[in-house]
Amino acid sequence: KAGVTQTPRYLIKTRGQQVTLSCSPISGHRSVSWYQQTPGQGLQFLFEYFSETQRNKGNFPGRFSGRQFSNSRSEMNVSTLELGDSALYLCASSPRHPTDTQYFGPGTRLTVL
Amino acid sequence: DAKTTQPPSMDCAEGRAANLPCNHSTISGNEYVYWYRQIHSQGPQYIIHGLKNNETNEMASLIITEDRKSSTLILPHATLRDTAVYYCIVRVKNYGGSQGNLIFGKGTKLSVKP
Repeated sequence: KAGVTQTPRYLIKTRGQQVTLSCSPISGHRSVSWYQQTPGQGLQFLFEYFSETQRNKGNFPGRFSGRQFSNSRSEMNVSTLELGDSALYLCASSPRHPTDTQYFGPGTRLTVL
Repeated sequence: DAKTTQPPSMDCAEGRAANLPCNHSTISGNEYVYWYRQIHSQGPQYIIHGLKNNETNEMASLIITEDRKSSTLILPHATLRDTAVYYCIVRVKNYGGSQGNLIFGKGTKLSVKP
């Protein structure tokens, strides 16, 4: 089976812009979770989706949002980018429910200038 | 906050077994122990998980103490490609109302040396 795919892999934006990142889960997986990784804060949970519903959200401002489609693919959006949003954004999928084992994609490296 | 404590770094000689410890003294009865690793700038890779019995797969073995307050991940024959940050995470695994998010600590940076 193909693993989790994330697009784009690298992205450069400027402050104030918005960005949309995409995640395609492993075929047949129904749940998607998103994480942000920075050198200072480490790996932090953003949100998780199951059956197109956001089930849980981490402690991030409202500029961070996401959604899941009926085919389980997910997108996350960050509006009004700040320099501190520069990070590796990771998507993980799990077979049936967010509490199943999560399998991570390669990540999208976002740089905000 | 992470519910686990791991040493910040360890070294291992290539070809030898790498034994990575993890303390989780406040683990609940329905929480599993998960191990992931992250090779520089890649997504975390799932390794193994267990509840109370020892587990083994093609990558590693997981030894959980009888009181479940600690565990050890064993890479039987470490190679240079096993150099990574290893994360020990405890979490529930059920289909109820539990939240699924993984809480990552700082992990153990394992350096495998020739």
